[in-house]
Amino acid sequence: QKEVEQNSGPLSVPEGAIASLNCTYSDRGSQSFFWYRQYSGKSPELIMFIYSNGDKEDGRFTAQLNKASQYVSLLIRDSQPSDSATYLCAVNEYGNQFYFGTGTSLTVIP
Amino acid sequence: DAGVIQSPRHEVTEMGQEVTLRCKPISGHDYLFWYRQTMMRGLELLIYFNNNVPIDDSGMPEDRFSAKMPNASFSTLKIQPSEPRDSAVYFCASTPGAVGKNEQFFGPGTRLTVL
Repeated sequence: QKEVEQNSGPLSVPEGAIASLNCTYSDRGSQSFFWYRQYSGKSPELIMFIYSNGDKEDGRFTAQLNKASQYVSLLIRDSQPSDSATYLCAVNEYGNQFYFGTGTSLTVIP
Repeated sequence: DAGVIQSPRHEVTEMGQEVTLRCKPISGHDYLFWYRQTMMRGLELLIYFNNNVPIDDSGMPEDRFSAKMPNASFSTLKIQPSEPRDSAVYFCASTPGAVGKNEQFFGPGTRLTVL
């Protein structure tokens, strides 16, 4: 059974702070890693993905991957109230099997 | 493009009834996925198709669930007979290529309630 683990939260941060979301995965064969954002009552939408160890930045978002530790994180700088949502970590192996974590609920307090 | 289209958006039915959920993927996308989302288990992959062919149905919970994709623009997920534990939001998603390299585009979901 392949597992993707996330802290369910809720995680609360003040507006303008850095939000740090974490995800661990069990299968060392995992190849690509995705972060999706899901607003309440809506469908998931992709924020960013990462394949290689290290950091990948896209605007206020930075994904960090450490394959040795089987750990991927998402940092949100200058958090805004509009960032309040559930963040889903997803892991893909060879082929097209895709595993999602249960998500971390983030609240940004104005 | 209108994105992935799902119908109905909400379905309330009684235990034992047949339920059919429908999905129209984005034109040109050759992978289609069916997911189920609950608070307890999160987002679970049920089955996915490549070029209308079912590739992996290992996530389908039991024989009461079946899925078809008769053509590139239409797929159904059927539950017969339905049970209260099937209550969840069911998402359909499509992608233009291999999942590991491409974003999955999700439909708005169907909220199923089985009484």
